Amino acid sequence: NAGVTQTPKFRILKIGQSMTLQCTQDMNHNYMYWYRQDPGMGLKLIYYSVGAGITDKGEVPNGYNVSRSTTEDFPLRLELAAPSQTSVYFCASSYQPGLFSGNTIYFGEGSWLTVV
Amino acid sequence: EDQVTQSPEALRLQEGESSSLNCSYTVSGLRGLFWYRQDPGKGPEFLFTLYSAGEEKEKERLKATLTKKESFLHITAPKPEDSATYLCAVQAVGGNQFYFGTGTSLTVIP
Repeated sequence: NAGVTQTPKFRILKIGQSMTLQCTQDMNHNYMYWYRQDPGMGLKLIYYSVGAGITDKGEVPNGYNVSRSTTEDFPLRLELAAPSQTSVYFCASSYQPGLFSGNTIYFGEGSWLTVV
Repeated sequence: EDQVTQSPEALRLQEGESSSLNCSYTVSGLRGLFWYRQDPGKGPEFLFTLYSAGEEKEKERLKATLTKKESFLHITAPKPEDSATYLCAVQAVGGNQFYFGTGTSLTVIP
């Protein structure tokens, strides 16, 4: 009953450090997403993937990289962390949009990242 | 450009005081409109999907409705456990992305 699992839950980074947020899903969803959520700003899409080996930029991709080597995993890489990347990050997954009625997007529990 | 606007930003209700949350959207062609509940420190939790104007969905004290320009989330006789942030999102026909509003923070006072 895992759904979408993210690690770590909390992390403090120093400016200029790099790290990877891990995300895995066990629902056999082909679509996966990374969002960031800032107070009063709503959820902003960073990157998404429509299947293994295929990724695309969302609204706010700068400073991030992703890869999708398997259906289950979609890690988010932060290179040269900056204070502006302090945020809550959510990984999510779904079936192909429009594949069938009732399709929706399922979220992980979030990763709280602070860059100091 | 696809957009979603939610109002009000925050809402305080007395227990039992019914009200509605609004989600206005602009999208080239609507594939689906989604409502989520988000508790502090948690990820958004799916509530409803609406596909066409006139559609309604209900779950306990919540009822979601859809027109061609907006959706309402009606909360009937709310309880303190209904306190959360409610998010609205839309997906356009032919699109791969979900566009989220900034949410309505609901507080229900006992």
